Amino acid sequence: NAGVTQTPKFQVLKTGQSMTLQCAQDMNHNSMYWYRQDPGMGLRLIYYSASEGTTDKGEVPNGYNVSRLNKREFSLRLESAAPSQTSVYFCASSFRLVRVGDTQYFGPGTRLTVL
Amino acid sequence: GQQLNQSPQSMFIQEGEDVSMNCTSSSIFNTWLWYKQDPGEGPVLLIALYKAGELTSNGRLTAQFGITRKDSFLNISASIPSDVGIYFCAGQLRLNSGGSNYKLTFGKGTLLTVNP
Repeated sequence: NAGVTQTPKFQVLKTGQSMTLQCAQDMNHNSMYWYRQDPGMGLRLIYYSASEGTTDKGEVPNGYNVSRLNKREFSLRLESAAPSQTSVYFCASSFRLVRVGDTQYFGPGTRLTVL
Repeated sequence: GQQLNQSPQSMFIQEGEDVSMNCTSSSIFNTWLWYKQDPGEGPVLLIALYKAGELTSNGRLTAQFGITRKDSFLNISASIPSDVGIYFCAGQLRLNSGGSNYKLTFGKGTLLTVNP
């Protein structure tokens, strides 16, 4: 049982390049999330997926797209990377979106630098 | 968007001391969460609070959901060196029964350093 896994762990991009961050969970969770973490800003929700087949914008969705490929996998895509997207990206999952006892489990993060 | 004010920003304490940190908001939340993040890792949930006024303990950690639903505090008693890390509060709000209008807002974190 690996929990939440993310790939890659580190990535350096040039401005304008595209890439996809991968996330998978093996806990049979319905809901998945993508966050970014910047120094002094805490974590901010980019997109979330309440259940397979649905995605919704979070607090900072601009410049990103997501795909809920199946129940296990939730990917985050940067179509044209910008230096402002330099950040640490965390994927998380929970059994359901907001319920008593349903807590989020976080992956180890992807450290992205855009030059 | 909603803002959470978490304080203090950082704390430097001696091993064995008690620690207190808190979060306040101008808006109400349905759930308050407290996470700890170690360097290079993702946040790990410490305590979840679901009802206004709720007081919950997890070992040396105690947290309370403010009666107004706009604040929460976390106490750590008898700190030890492994308590070092960044502690985040988070307020969670779901506005409808579907997946949309879900809000989870994090505070900016409290950096805790424990001197052995």
